Amino acid sequence: NAGVTQTPKFQVLKTGQSMTLQCAQDMNHEYMSWYRQDPGMGLRLIHYSVGAGITDQGEVPNGYNVSRSTTEDFPLRLLSAAPSQTSVYFCASSYSRRGSLTDTQYFGPGTRLTVL
Amino acid sequence: DQQVKQNSPSLSVQEGRISILNCDYTNSMFDYFLWYKKYPAEGPTFLISISSIKDKNEDGRFTVFLNKSAKHLSLHIVPSQPGDSAVYFCAASVTNAGKSTFGDGTTLTVKP
Repeated sequence: NAGVTQTPKFQVLKTGQSMTLQCAQDMNHEYMSWYRQDPGMGLRLIHYSVGAGITDQGEVPNGYNVSRSTTEDFPLRLLSAAPSQTSVYFCASSYSRRGSLTDTQYFGPGTRLTVL
Repeated sequence: DQQVKQNSPSLSVQEGRISILNCDYTNSMFDYFLWYKKYPAEGPTFLISISSIKDKNEDGRFTVFLNKSAKHLSLHIVPSQPGDSAVYFCAASVTNAGKSTFGDGTTLTVKP
């Protein structure tokens, strides 16, 4: 299994540009999430999904869109990039069976995004 | 309002000694707690977890303690090794909610 993969690893954008960060997992996990990590801070939840066709907002959703058309893929779209979106972005997936306490998340390697 | 707090940004210990990392939470709905370890330029990896029905969980050199009345958990690493040097994140979740809330992390440095 490749686990959770993210592309690209690095990206530089100009203010106002749009782009999509890709995330895929091959573990048949129901849940997927996107986080951003800024220097000296923890992981802040952007959007998450509890299954194909279902998405919801996290703590910091503004400026980002997501969709979940398949179980495997969960792309994150930046609509109009701003310097405040310069960060490291992590995608994660987890498998949670109802009635069991298994919310362990598996993280991708991250995408380092710089917006000029 | 930060629901999960790690008040110590950094911790330095000598190899072979005990490392104790602390975490406090405010949301009484949290019923599952996890610790993740992160090396530079990598994604976090799961280390150990505990459910709210327990007060201790042990896995090799790593033990997590949960004090529900104080809304406090701690991670003990005994003995500490230089390879343990990393950023440690505490996370909390509500079962089946599909998401976790993370603290800001504690950078552990284990000196040889």
